[in-house]
Amino acid sequence: EVQLVQSGAEVKKPGESLKISCKGSGYTFTSYWIGWVRQMPGKGLEWMGIIYPGDSDTRNSPSFQGQVTISADKSISTAYLQWSSLKASDTAMYYCARLYAWGTYRAFDYWGQGTLVTVSS
Amino acid sequence: EIVMTQSPATLSVSPGERATLSCRASQRVSSNLVWYQQKPGQAPRLLIYGVSTRATNIPARFSGSGSGTEFTLTISSLQSEDFAVYYCQQYNNWPPGGWTFGQGTKVEIK
Repeated sequence: EVQLVQSGAEVKKPGESLKISCKGSGYTFTSYWIGWVRQMPGKGLEWMGIIYPGDSDTRNSPSFQGQVTISADKSISTAYLQWSSLKASDTAMYYCARLYAWGTYRAFDYWGQGTLVTVSS
Repeated sequence: EIVMTQSPATLSVSPGERATLSCRASQRVSSNLVWYQQKPGQAPRLLIYGVSTRATNIPARFSGSGSGTEFTLTISSLQSEDFAVYYCQQYNNWPPGGWTFGQGTKVEIK
């Protein structure tokens, strides 16, 4: 069974750093892109970026370029989303999702349960 | 960046009725269009990819259509479990880049 299990909720202060994780299981982790999606409180979904754990090829949304770092450790089937200096506006639920790619089709077919990040002084 | 605009923002429908949700892209995205469903407190769920292909275990009452810049998700006969927020998403670039979601349509009970 394919599963993406994310790390638990975090409460941080502005200026602090943070790294959240997404562990894949039940499939070949290195063969599928993993994407990250932000959902601010009461708002819609925003595509942040994506990584291919097989070779760490990473693509960021222009909206998030320079704001976050996406990485992966294929030895432990885990992808990461990292901030070096959090802001209150980073308060959101963050989802990881596996990218299904078949022919020209692309879609996030499996999603993690989400990690709630709260940034408050 | 391709902007995806969904309408209406909220759709009030009675159980058993048909729901039609629209998604418009600011530029052509060919057939590179996906629909997701999200219920409160849950992660999104893949419904349809490639404009019209239902994902695994998605009931036949869900159907997608369209091409270019105009897309539609139709729920033929709304069931209680279908009341949720629906998002479209384009993936017009490959390798991945600049993918965007619509702002969502909330389907609520009338």
